[in-house]
Amino acid sequence: GIQVEQSPPDLILQEGANSTLRCNFSDSVNNLQWFHQNPWGQLINLFYIPSGTKQNGRLSATTVATERYSLLYISSSQTTDSGVYFCAVTSNDYKLSFGAGTTVTVRA
Amino acid sequence: EAGVTQFPSHSVIEKGQTVTLRCDPISGHDNLYWYRRVMGKEIKFLLHFVKESKQDESGMPNNRFLAERTGGTYSTLKVQPAELEDSGVYFCASSQNAEQFFGPGTRLTVL
Repeated sequence: GIQVEQSPPDLILQEGANSTLRCNFSDSVNNLQWFHQNPWGQLINLFYIPSGTKQNGRLSATTVATERYSLLYISSSQTTDSGVYFCAVTSNDYKLSFGAGTTVTVRA
Repeated sequence: EAGVTQFPSHSVIEKGQTVTLRCDPISGHDNLYWYRRVMGKEIKFLLHFVKESKQDESGMPNNRFLAERTGGTYSTLKVQPAELEDSGVYFCASSQNAEQFFGPGTRLTVL
């Protein structure tokens, strides 16, 4: 099956800092989603982005499908941004394959 | 619009007992999925329904797991008998197209 690798595994930020999370995948994809898992365990949809660039407030994402990677940008981080960020992809079917996640800790 | 809901939020059972998890998808979503995350592992696909039909159950770990989707609406996932390694968080998701929306999960603890 398709392999999904996320980096870095852990990220500690000071409030107000910017950061970039990376997701590499091993095959062509027809779906790519970024999620934020909040402290209560809920997976919150951030972006559906199989290709191109999208922005939502302080968050933005870019997927370069031909080079098999996606980037999630967090600008002016806040303590509420803390949590685990997951990248998940599908390739020729509906099964999402998840990366291991990046744990982000934003300190006040 | 209500999101995906799951019940219960947490279940603690003893090895050998039976547990049934329930998922209510977003209204109008034909696709319903089950995933799980066991301790220290990544979130893994279990199965996919299209309306009431099982489209793909390749991720179901063994025959102790049974999923149903009555009338193409809500779905249940039954584990019988439960084993220690079944402990983890079980997520349900639904979609109309490619983008999947997840419920809050059910944390299952088997003692």
